[in-house]
Amino acid sequence: GAGVSQTPSNKVTEKGKYVELRCDPISGHTALYWYRQSLGQGPEFLIYFQGTGAADDSGLPNDRFFAVRPEGSVSTLKIQRTERGDSAVYLCASSLSFRGDYNEQFFGPGTRLTVL
Amino acid sequence: KNEVEQSPQNLTAQEGEFITINCSYSVGISALHWLQQHPGGGIVSLFMLSSGKKKHGRLIATINIQEKHSSLHITASHPRDSAVYICAGFSPNTDKLIFGTGTRLQVFP
Repeated sequence: GAGVSQTPSNKVTEKGKYVELRCDPISGHTALYWYRQSLGQGPEFLIYFQGTGAADDSGLPNDRFFAVRPEGSVSTLKIQRTERGDSAVYLCASSLSFRGDYNEQFFGPGTRLTVL
Repeated sequence: KNEVEQSPQNLTAQEGEFITINCSYSVGISALHWLQQHPGGGIVSLFMLSSGKKKHGRLIATINIQEKHSSLHITASHPRDSAVYICAGFSPNTDKLIFGTGTRLQVFP
């Protein structure tokens, strides 16, 4: 079956613009995670969803970042008034659920965001 | 100090060599994940383990819960093994993966 997909694969934008990054999780996976990875670093947690609700958004760096998952499947990460420091690879992962014992997360290919 | 630390940060090897990458963690975890990331590519899951040892092809992962340490071994390394290897521990207290900073492996022919 299909894995986690993310679009676009690359996004170049100008400082101050608004961007949306999309994640399509594996069908049936109720948990969805967003991470950000800067060059030479490990992924950094941003937010995760259980179903339609954000279970934990404590990793979002500021109020310019927002994510939604209105139907419990596809999720969109939205960044307003982008800054050069937002440049990174944004990774999405999904798993069967997140509560209790760890369920293996499956990662998408990522979206490379460059803010000029 | 990171809660999950990997060593070495960078590793070069000749084709055929035995490779070991280490991961130590200072927080309570219920499972540890070894991931592989190729340049420009997404992350691929190699192993998820909570005890003992797992083997898949030329890759072996071990974990010692008491010592809070895990190792990833690659036998008969090949240039296509060149990638960044990341370990991540799952914290049941926070329901989050805690990532190491990765080990960059280059295998030369």
